[in-house]
Amino acid sequence: SYELTQPPSVSVSPGQTASITCSGDKLGYKDVCWYQQKAGQSPVVIIYQKTKRPSGIPERFSGFNSGNTATLIIRGAQATDEADYYCQAWETHTVVFGVFFGGGTKLTVL
Amino acid sequence: EVQLVEAGGGLVKPGGSLRLSCAASGVTISNVYMNWVRQTPGKGLEWVGRIKSRSDGETTDYAAPVKGRFTISRDDSKNTLYLQMDSLKTEDTAVYYCTTDRDWKYDHWGQGTLVTVSS
Repeated sequence: SYELTQPPSVSVSPGQTASITCSGDKLGYKDVCWYQQKAGQSPVVIIYQKTKRPSGIPERFSGFNSGNTATLIIRGAQATDEADYYCQAWETHTVVFGVFFGGGTKLTVL
Repeated sequence: EVQLVEAGGGLVKPGGSLRLSCAASGVTISNVYMNWVRQTPGKGLEWVGRIKSRSDGETTDYAAPVKGRFTISRDDSKNTLYLQMDSLKTEDTAVYYCTTDRDWKYDHWGQGTLVTVSS
């Protein structure tokens, strides 16, 4: 098994920058995704392959990955960014393939 | 536009079985990897398993908690993904999502279907 650790909650003031971390052993060597899940909705991918943004995702969302930590950065936070955020990584270099999610971080914009 | 629509959830007793389906449109599921992901009410996401594309051999992988009890399959004629769940446990209670899996991202998700395992 492979564990990804996220802080349960992060708060940010409107217009400020929020950082959400995701820690795991040698995470910097793995592909990492970030998903946003708003209340009552399905998750949406906002960052993939550590730093790439799918089309339609605002530029104020960015990803950074180094060492044992991946970081989601949200610049100019807006009220609409309130959501749960999950990191995801793949375990492909062992005998058994696996996909793992962090426990999620609730972002509050206030 | 890609749409994934899950169905088949419901209430089942421990030890029972249930089959979920995921009907796809806007994407040919045999050409992509497909996954099942579950979410316990009020809690986080957990990967359940995947099936590879036809070109990559259609093999399956499962998470440890469901291996040997759950089976993922596909009906290409119906463009539908399935999750057969046997020997269900109370801890399998969750919302189950199907997702497409391209370029190492789950880029489309269904709306989910709730499975409740309880006596």
